[in-house]
Amino acid sequence: GENVEQHPSTLSVQEGDSAVIKCTYSDSASNYFPWYKQELGKRPQLIIDIRSNVGEKKDQRIAVTLNKTAKHFSLHITETQPEDSAVYFCAAIIERGSTLGRLYFGRGTQLTVWP
Amino acid sequence: DTEVTQTPKHLVMGMTNKKSLKCEQHMGHRAMYWYKQKAKKPPELMFVYSYEKLSINESVPSRFSPECPNSSLLNLHLHALQPEDSALYLCASSLSVGSEQFFGPGTRLTVL
Repeated sequence: GENVEQHPSTLSVQEGDSAVIKCTYSDSASNYFPWYKQELGKRPQLIIDIRSNVGEKKDQRIAVTLNKTAKHFSLHITETQPEDSAVYFCAAIIERGSTLGRLYFGRGTQLTVWP
Repeated sequence: DTEVTQTPKHLVMGMTNKKSLKCEQHMGHRAMYWYKQKAKKPPELMFVYSYEKLSINESVPSRFSPECPNSSLLNLHLHALQPEDSALYLCASSLSVGSEQFFGPGTRLTVL
């Protein structure tokens, strides 16, 4: 099955700096890549996603890039704020066969933004 | 209604109890999911329902029994659980299997 690796596991930045989280995947059939933010004690929230026919997507301070050839995708947060502090999970979905519907998660990145 | 809701928020049960977790969505989504999440770990998929039929069971022990009575409702029946089953149980839904999944707030389960 699919294997998603996520780095780093922890990331500390100063408020206003940028943060980058990177993920790689193993199955070239993966074609949908969502990112979830989970604050302590809360549900995972979908913050941005990208499909394999797109190389980059941006939503205000958040952007995601995808390199299909290298099988990696990244989350970029600019002008970080303390409320960005949370665990971020990348994920991949293979839209085929018996794995349809299965979200393969990375292990998560604990982002801390210091004021 | 644009949210997935779950009840109860917290549940404490003994190993001999029988309890149920409930999940509801009114977004017209036809796929619903149960996940288990341990602290500082990603959610682990347990079950997937598509059009009210079980399509994925991730080799979950039989002490967890899912049920999808209709397209808006998903239950998880619990019986004879073990302390290691203590976790956050998350429900999610999506328009169809493979599309964006939206999570409920979860039920924090403690098994004594």
